[in-house]
Amino acid sequence: SYVLTQPPSVSAAPGKTATISCGGENIGSKSVNWYQQKPGQAPVVVVYDDNDRPSGIPDRFSGSNSGNTATLTISRVEVGDEADYSCQVWDSSGDHPGVFGGGTKLTVL
Amino acid sequence: QVQLRESGPGLVKTSQTLSLTCSVSGASISSGTYYWNWIRQPAGKGLEWIGRIFTSGRTYYNPSLRSRATISLDTSKNQFSLKLSSTTAADTAVYYCARTDGYNRPFDFWGQGTLVTVSS
Repeated sequence: SYVLTQPPSVSAAPGKTATISCGGENIGSKSVNWYQQKPGQAPVVVVYDDNDRPSGIPDRFSGSNSGNTATLTISRVEVGDEADYSCQVWDSSGDHPGVFGGGTKLTVL
Repeated sequence: QVQLRESGPGLVKTSQTLSLTCSVSGASISSGTYYWNWIRQPAGKGLEWIGRIFTSGRTYYNPSLRSRATISLDTSKNQFSLKLSSTTAADTAVYYCARTDGYNRPFDFWGQGTLVTVSS
């Protein structure tokens, strides 16, 4: 089965840039979605199809995807960005099951 | 605005069947290009996709849960359901229902989640 690997935690100071990686075999050939999840809440998609944003998501959130790594970049980090972030793809095998990374906790220092 | 809400027992005895329902408003579960999904998250852990059902009733499952999971539609109530058999403590998690608008699209609407504890 397809596996996505994320670092357990990253940190960034307010106003700085945070980058969260998501590793997977040839992930560059897949569309990657990113979700933000705050404590006690359901996830919310912040980036889809590698680098598109839903309406209402600030342009401080961006994504890239190439080779074996996809990346979520949060520019000008704010205290309110502190949350868990998970990457997600649809596997290309069988019934195309959904696959999530283990999640990364972003701490705003 | 599309809204989803999970409901069902919060406590299930080990080896019994876990049953949850997702009530949908603002969209018809039997029309369009929507896929209706179940996702779970054990405490302190990552998200796990369980499966999905298309408006036609076609189902797709996580290979690791296929033998135990069943997802179905109830179009008369605009609801869809999850049944997970032969439960163990490892099935204890917050269970979410969620929608995608199209095949292999992002999850755009989620329920608030419901905690299910499996215990003897």
